[in-house]
Amino acid sequence: DAGVIQSPRHEVTEMGQEVTLRCKPISGHDYLFWYRQTMMRGLELLIYFNNNVPIDDSGMPEDRFSAKMPNASFSTLKIQPSEPRDSAVYFCASSQFMGTDTQYFGPGTRLTVL
Amino acid sequence: AQSVTQLDSQVPVFEEAPVELRCNYSSSVSVYLFWYVQYPNQGLQLLLKYLSGSTLVKGINGFEAEFNKSQTSFHLRKPSVHISDTAEYFCAVRRTDSWGKLQFGAGTQVVVTP
Repeated sequence: DAGVIQSPRHEVTEMGQEVTLRCKPISGHDYLFWYRQTMMRGLELLIYFNNNVPIDDSGMPEDRFSAKMPNASFSTLKIQPSEPRDSAVYFCASSQFMGTDTQYFGPGTRLTVL
Repeated sequence: AQSVTQLDSQVPVFEEAPVELRCNYSSSVSVYLFWYVQYPNQGLQLLLKYLSGSTLVKGINGFEAEFNKSQTSFHLRKPSVHISDTAEYFCAVRRTDSWGKLQFGAGTQVVVTP
């Protein structure tokens, strides 16, 4: 398997613009996670899905952030409008189960909002 | 709720020397424990995990960790490091009794020099 695929790898945008990050999980994995990594706050879980259904979105910072998973092989994280403080590396991860299972991370999307 | 404390933000070490990365956790219930590694400009990957049984866990790349329930610790060790071990290392915990999230520590940057 190719692993978790994220696109784009880098995104530079201006404040106020809409940003869409994309993720393809490993085939057969029922759980998908979106994380944000910054120097100040470390690695934070934003939201996770089970069988395409959002289970816990308590980590989503505010209404400007939204995530969808229309099918088992694709998810998006959207920021609208973007702000400079959203600059971070966003990771997508997937796992077959919860609990004891390993999460497999994608390479991340480095977002810079000017 | 559970929390994870990584006691060292940065650990410099010479090639072929041993290294120990410290991790302490707090939780009101039993937890599963994980160590992940993040190489520069990459996503996280699992080094090892403790679920149950033997308290000494062996992982990939010669790393091992010991679970100490009385001290609520899960320290990571390698007897002889290579330049390629330069990376950031994250300790993480998850409750065993629920669909709990994976809680990451702040990370420890290991820099291996010749």
